[in-house]
Amino acid sequence: GAVVSQHPSWVICKSGTSVKIECRSLDFQATTMFWYRQFPKQSLMLMATSNEGSKATYEQGVEKDKFLINHASLTLSTLTVTSAHPEDSSFYICSARRLAGNYNEQFFGPGTRLTVL
Amino acid sequence: QQQVKQSPQSLIVQKGGISIINCAYENTAFDYFPWYQQFPGKGPALLIAIRPDVSEKKEGRFTISFNKSAKQFSLHIMDSQPGDSATYFCAAISGAQKLVFGQGTRLTINP
Repeated sequence: GAVVSQHPSWVICKSGTSVKIECRSLDFQATTMFWYRQFPKQSLMLMATSNEGSKATYEQGVEKDKFLINHASLTLSTLTVTSAHPEDSSFYICSARRLAGNYNEQFFGPGTRLTVL
Repeated sequence: QQQVKQSPQSLIVQKGGISIINCAYENTAFDYFPWYQQFPGKGPALLIAIRPDVSEKKEGRFTISFNKSAKQFSLHIMDSQPGDSATYFCAAISGAQKLVFGQGTRLTINP
């Protein structure tokens, strides 16, 4: 299967600081990358979709100025949580999509646990 | 119409038993149905997936049954083991659109 990595796996920061999370597709070029947020015992909530070289598309209710997404290459996307506050504490998961024949397969990273103090 | 409804919310099965999780959808444009397995503190891992042109797909102890006319699909885990205890998500997607997830099922396999 395809491998997607995330770094860091966990981060603790003070309120008001910014945190950057990296997502890499290690053995394939991703046509599209996605960022999700997951609260305890809940399903994944899509935050934004990004394509290499273009602006990310944010889901309704997600602040694009707070959650900055950069998709620099076909294998790297970054999510920056700006001026983080305790309510931003969550589990952030990226995923990468690759084309397999006529269908799109989507693979997920291991997630990043963000705790804002 | 974009929803995927998953049941049950939680499931307890004895070791060696069969675990069955069901999902239903409305959007007939969905053309790819993956199942993901997620352990606590980890990202979801693609477990098995099916296209609508087949009624069943088996990989080891995991089988997807697909009923196109009923717009339902299910995951069967044969000879369930304690290591299978995890949260399972069904999902559906149409072409290059967004993946639509079910609500998740917390599976516990009792030893």
